[in-house]
Amino acid sequence: DVKVTQSSRYLVKRTGEKVFLECVQDMDHENMFWYRQDPGLGLRLIYFSYDVKMKEKGDIPEGYSVSREKKERFSLILESASTNQTSMYLCASSGGWVDSNTGELFFGEGSRLTVL
Amino acid sequence: QKEVEQNSGPLSVPEGAIASLNCTYSDRVSQSFFWYRQYSGKSPELIMSIYSNGDKEDGRFTAQLNKASQYVSLLIRDSQPSDSATYLCAAGRSGSARQLTFGSGTQLTVLP
Repeated sequence: DVKVTQSSRYLVKRTGEKVFLECVQDMDHENMFWYRQDPGLGLRLIYFSYDVKMKEKGDIPEGYSVSREKKERFSLILESASTNQTSMYLCASSGGWVDSNTGELFFGEGSRLTVL
Repeated sequence: QKEVEQNSGPLSVPEGAIASLNCTYSDRVSQSFFWYRQYSGKSPELIMSIYSNGDKEDGRFTAQLNKASQYVSLLIRDSQPSDSATYLCAAGRSGSARQLTFGSGTQLTVLP
């Protein structure tokens, strides 16, 4: 089974702190993604990566950065956390594009971040 | 304008009934469509994918796609309380590195 592991299930941070969210997948997937999920807004793409050291902005990249130094690991960084970044953050990976049978997204369990 | 819209919920159906979940999309270039199920407090999991016009059946689930109307639906026959979850519709472009655009989800409750 594909396993996508997010390092922290629950975090509480203060405004202005730097926050690291780590994600590791064990299926040698090329593509990795960071989404945030908010009530009524669904899943919104923050950043994605289709190869090591490659990254592209999603719909809402402002206030976030990412790092992919190894194929299995994709990190989301909040340089200076703000209260409007309080959310559920979901990491996902996939082995191919959406029109292939390897395009399924596998999600981690999520990291619920509260910024005070 | 949101690119993927789902019918407003929450939706409640009695056990054994057919649950109908609907989704429209605005990007005509979208070629691939997916339904993910998300139980409360859990992460989404894929239950159906559909790429061609028409119906696709998998057990109690049927996905329907009409590209001319830009409409996707999911029917759940013989609904069970274990089907109670939020269902997310997603659309993707062929060969797109950007992958999927998700709707905001429809919460389904199946009443025993």
